[in-house]
Amino acid sequence: KAGVTQTPRYLIKTRGQQVTLSCSPISGHRSVSWYQQTPGQGLQFLFEYFSETQRNKGNFPGRFSGRQFSNSRSEMNVSTLELGDSALYLCASSAGQGARYGYTFGSGTRLTVV
Amino acid sequence: GQQLNQSPQSMFIQEGEDVSMNCTSSSIFNTWLWYKQDPGEGPVLLIALYKAGELTSNGRLTAQFGITRKDSFLNISASIPSDVGIYFCAGGSQGNLIFGKGTKLSVKP
Repeated sequence: KAGVTQTPRYLIKTRGQQVTLSCSPISGHRSVSWYQQTPGQGLQFLFEYFSETQRNKGNFPGRFSGRQFSNSRSEMNVSTLELGDSALYLCASSAGQGARYGYTFGSGTRLTVV
Repeated sequence: GQQLNQSPQSMFIQEGEDVSMNCTSSSIFNTWLWYKQDPGEGPVLLIALYKAGELTSNGRLTAQFGITRKDSFLNISASIPSDVGIYFCAGGSQGNLIFGKGTKLSVKP
């Protein structure tokens, strides 16, 4: 079955702009989590959605938001981009909520803010 | 907040060598996961551990869930060139996964 699909793979934006990233989970998976990966901070949890509801949120400013649709696809939005938002954004899907179900990651969206 | 200490940060391997890395935490986890990430790709799940004391193998990889539920290790036996990459441990409970900072495996020059 198809894996986790993230689009776009690469993105270059200007400081102050906003951006929307998309994630299609594995078919049948209802949980989608988002992570930010940078060389200095490693993998940092952004938020988790399950059945269209945000179940968990990391320690990121309100400029970072997300949503999940009825087909489990998820989007995350970053408004008023800052240079420090440059990172690899990873989406992971899971059959259920919680680490016990395991997480499958997509290839990520590489965001560069200039 | 919860933190995972993963060590070593980096190591060089020569083909055929065995490799060990571990993660420790101040918090108890119900699940330990080990991932490998290649450049430009997302992490790929290698081994999942769900019970304290559990020892699980996946080919040349072996991982254990510590008895205290605060640590885990990963061993790679007889390493090969395609083992290079970054290995991450991740601990989880009811909520999200907490990741270690990774162990970067490189080939000895």
